[in-house]
Amino acid sequence: DAGVIQSPRHEVTEMGQEVTLRCKPISGHNSLFWYRQTMMRGLELLIYFNNNVPIDDSGMPEDRFSAKMPNASFSTLKIQPSEPRDSAVYFCASSLGPTTTNYGYTFGSGTRLTVV
Amino acid sequence: DQQVKQNSPSLSVQEGRISILNCDYTNSMFDYFLWYKKYPAEGPTFLISISSIKDKNEDGRFTVFLNKSAKHLSLHIVPSQPGDSAVYFCAASDVDQAGTALIFGKGTTLSVSS
Repeated sequence: DAGVIQSPRHEVTEMGQEVTLRCKPISGHNSLFWYRQTMMRGLELLIYFNNNVPIDDSGMPEDRFSAKMPNASFSTLKIQPSEPRDSAVYFCASSLGPTTTNYGYTFGSGTRLTVV
Repeated sequence: DQQVKQNSPSLSVQEGRISILNCDYTNSMFDYFLWYKKYPAEGPTFLISISSIKDKNEDGRFTVFLNKSAKHLSLHIVPSQPGDSAVYFCAASDVDQAGTALIFGKGTTLSVSS
């Protein structure tokens, strides 16, 4: 299995531009999570899906952020318009369920976003 | 307010000695805890976990201790090796509450010198 695949690995964009981050979860995993890592807040949950349905989006910072999961093998996180404070590493993770007691979540390698 | 707290941003240890990473939580409903390890430019990877029905879980050089009354857990690495240098995240979940995701702390950067 190739694991959780995220693209792009790095993204540099100008303030005000739209940014789209992509994620392919592990086949058979029915939960998908978007986390953001910053020095100040560590790993914070943005949103998660179960069976392609958004369950908890309370971590989404504001309306500029949106996420979709059109099918079981693909999800996007979009920021429009982007701002410098959105600069962070964004991780996608998948698991067999949100509260798995086995091995937790499998994370992708992340997308490092820089907004200038 | 952070429900999972790792109050030490960094820890430096000599090779061969013990590394102790600490984690505190505030939600008494948390009943499953995990530690993740993260190398630069990689995603976090699962390291070890513990259920609230236990107070200790051991896997090779790694042992996690849980003190429910103090809402505190710790990860012990013995002996520490340079390859253990990474960021360690503590995570917690409420298994009985369906639909809740793992909550992570801010992480502790461990540096093991040879």
